Amino acid sequence: EIVMTQSPATLSVSPGERATLSCRASQSVGTNLAWYQQKPGQSPRLLIFGAFTRATGLPARFSGSGSGTEFTLTVSSLQSDDFAIYYCQQYNYWPSSTFGPGTKVDIK
Amino acid sequence: QLQLQESGPGLVKPSETLSLTCTVSGGSISRSSYYWAWIRQTPGKGLEWIGSIYYTGSTDYNPSLKSRIIISVDTSKKQFSLKLSSVTAADTAVYYCARHLNREPFDSWGQGTLVTVSS
Repeated sequence: EIVMTQSPATLSVSPGERATLSCRASQSVGTNLAWYQQKPGQSPRLLIFGAFTRATGLPARFSGSGSGTEFTLTVSSLQSDDFAIYYCQQYNYWPSSTFGPGTKVDIK
Repeated sequence: QLQLQESGPGLVKPSETLSLTCTVSGGSISRSSYYWAWIRQTPGKGLEWIGSIYYTGSTDYNPSLKSRIIISVDTSKKQFSLKLSSVTAADTAVYYCARHLNREPFDSWGQGTLVTVSS
């Protein structure tokens, strides 16, 4: 099983600041990496797929990068709506797609 | 706009079978290339993909759960279902249904339903 790790577990950021979230895979997943955002009481929402392709309607302040085992999600200027938990998911290995444990982005 | 809605008992006894149904509206469950999935979320293990089904009935299951899972589809009712047998407290989770292209991430999700395993 591919193990996904995310760091930090919690990221405290002030509105308007940049947030950088990391995701690491235990083996190379190429660019088959997605990012999701989850707010309290809601289901996850797909943000990024293919490591860097934004989902339809996603603001440009969200960007993804990386390949192989190291990936980054960057939010260039955090808005109040962006405080949430972010998960990465590898889908390179089916039927063993796996998620990371999440990074909580909260208000500093 | 595509909507997915989970339904089923919120409480299941240990050793029994958990049964959930997802109803698809605002789109076709038989649409070519799209798969229909079950995912669960627990505080301890986080998000876990359970399995997926194509409208033809072809399935993919998480190897760690494969021996206990059956996922089926009823295209006439625009529903797909999950059966998880021999449940324990470790199966207590919020269960989501979702949609994805073959071997791609999940682009639409239901709101989720909490299932508690307890006597």
